[in-house]
Amino acid sequence: NFMLTQPHSVSESPGKTVTISCTRSSGSIASNYVQWYQQRPGSSPTTVIYEDNQRPSGVPDRFSGSIDSSSNSASLTISGLKTEDEADYYCQSYDSSNPWVFGGGTKLTVL
Amino acid sequence: QVQLQESGPGLVKPSQTLSLTCTVSGGSISSGDYYWSWIRQPPGKGLEWIGYIYYSGSTYYNPSLKSRVTISVDTSKNQFSLKLSSVTAADTAVYYCARVVVGVQYCDYWGQGTLVTVSS
Repeated sequence: NFMLTQPHSVSESPGKTVTISCTRSSGSIASNYVQWYQQRPGSSPTTVIYEDNQRPSGVPDRFSGSIDSSSNSASLTISGLKTEDEADYYCQSYDSSNPWVFGGGTKLTVL
Repeated sequence: QVQLQESGPGLVKPSQTLSLTCTVSGGSISSGDYYWSWIRQPPGKGLEWIGYIYYSGSTYYNPSLKSRVTISVDTSKNQFSLKLSSVTAADTAVYYCARVVVGVQYCDYWGQGTLVTVSS
């Protein structure tokens, strides 16, 4: 089994860029796709990134995803921050023995 | 537009079985392109995957919950269901149903979620 570790919280000012990391504890981050979900307060999660770096239709290109094999981590980057981006963000991946694993979530505050 | 709607009791007594149903509209649950999943979120905490089912009835469960979980599908009603036995207060959570894209393994549609409280 593996775990995905995210920072508990990050904060940044409107208009700036923020990056949220997601580190895989064992196994290669590149071996299975990573997804990112946004959850605004009181709402269901929605997908902002799938397959490491793909955006569903309707998600602005201010959202981007990447993976880094050297640190065994995935990252979600949000540029041109808006107050509406304030939310919890969860990474998710899988492997053959654990079909789904979520990271613990990161609370993004846009100051 | 695909929609998923959870339904079931909002209060369950300890040691009893939690039962929820997810009704899918705007798409067929018999499509081979999707799994149908249950995910939960305890109040103030993160997401936990419970399991998912394929239209054929094949199931995949979170190993930590596997001994207590049953997910089933009723294609004639376009519904799938969750049963979680021997519940405790730790099972108090918002329960979401979601559609998972096969192969890509991500949720493209979620229900609004339903809060289930375990209390006597």
